[in-house]
Amino acid sequence: NAGVTQTPKFRVLKTGQSMTLLCAQDMNHEYMYWYRQDPGMGLRLIHYSVGEGTTAKGEVPDGYNVSRLKKQNFLLGLESAAPSQTSVYFCASSSPKPSGTRTGELFFGEGSRLTVL
Amino acid sequence: GQQLNQSPQSMFIQEGEDVSMNCTSSSIFNTWLWYKQDPGEGPVLLIALYKAGELTSNGRLTAQFGITRKDSFLNISASIPSDVGIYFCAGPLIQGAQKLVFGQGTRLTINP
Repeated sequence: NAGVTQTPKFRVLKTGQSMTLLCAQDMNHEYMYWYRQDPGMGLRLIHYSVGEGTTAKGEVPDGYNVSRLKKQNFLLGLESAAPSQTSVYFCASSSPKPSGTRTGELFFGEGSRLTVL
Repeated sequence: GQQLNQSPQSMFIQEGEDVSMNCTSSSIFNTWLWYKQDPGEGPVLLIALYKAGELTSNGRLTAQFGITRKDSFLNISASIPSDVGIYFCAGPLIQGAQKLVFGQGTRLTINP
């Protein structure tokens, strides 16, 4: 069971370089998310998507762009990396519970550790 | 924006001890979720709470949805080495929505 797969697992960038993190899920989930995790700050939502072709901003979207061209994939892009973007990035996916008012369980990938020098 | 404050930030205990941690918010939540993150892994859902006052167990774990709807508690009984990790509380930014806001986490370390 693959679940949520993130690539790459590790990456080192120089300031100003660009890169894309890929997230793939095989659970046919409608919703996908990108979070970043920094020490002492928990997980913060960067961008999310409620369906193919749609994206929206989360808590900390600046400096990132996303695309959801296919339902199973959610890409996170850094156009010009900065040291402040050094972090561990987690992708997650979920589907709404049948009851409609209950928040669904999020399934997370293993994370991508990014270092910007 | 909404923030969740977890306490304590870290715990160092002996194997076999019970553990208690809590999460508070300045806003009312209608759902509380508790996640655990093992080293090098992504968070995994432990317990979900959907009703004020609700008490739910999952093995040695017990979580409660506070009556005020502004807090939640997680207890672990008779800790074992595999309980090591970071525990996060989380709740939806908007009722019924899928977007979650997370607390800062409680890092649990167990001495054998």
